[in-house]
Amino acid sequence: DTGVSQDPRHKITKRGQNVTFRCDPISEHNRLYWYRQTLGQGPEFLTYFQNEAQLEKSRLLSDRFSAERPKGSFSTLEIQRTEQGDSAMYLCASSENEKLFFGSGTQLSVL
Amino acid sequence: SQQGEEDPQALSIQEGENATMNCSYKTSINNLQWYRQNSGRGLVHLILIRSNEREKHSGRLRVTLDTSKKSSSLLITASRAADTASYFCATPQEGTYKYIFGTGTRLKVLA
Repeated sequence: DTGVSQDPRHKITKRGQNVTFRCDPISEHNRLYWYRQTLGQGPEFLTYFQNEAQLEKSRLLSDRFSAERPKGSFSTLEIQRTEQGDSAMYLCASSENEKLFFGSGTQLSVL
Repeated sequence: SQQGEEDPQALSIQEGENATMNCSYKTSINNLQWYRQNSGRGLVHLILIRSNEREKHSGRLRVTLDTSKKSSSLLITASRAADTASYFCATPQEGTYKYIFGTGTRLKVLA
């Protein structure tokens, strides 16, 4: 499978715990995106990278959220001290031109 | 904040009928894209229309773009039960590759 893969598919955690998600983009894609989506809403932009450079981070992201893309390959999104409001689907997408290719997402539930 | 707003929020039609959904956006764009999302899955790219195009076709899909009104429409002809999904428009923030998604239209096609 040469699409975008995300791991894990589901994560259940207790409030206050840290969680980390991984995204493996399509190999030749230089841009990588993270979005968050809650039920019935559209994907909400979190951040994106061009190669290893993080070009923009949403103001909606508190300092509990951090994303990295070492060596311009896979990316990780970490949420520290999770809150119930962090419960959502976290989507990763990659692109080499204008079209975005999405993974299946990581569904986070914070209890 | 969301750049695009889709209308209607939800649409229910019979198999074989046509489905039309609309998207309005706020700033100047160089392209607009439509994506589809099945429940609990990632988004799939459907079609891209550039700012110098007025209409584009792909199979049973027809997209129009009116840059003077900052709006686009997606028409699905001869709908099938398998078309049941949420549909989102996405536009790039001016001068960037940061894509902002609309709120989505939830389409239900009844067999």
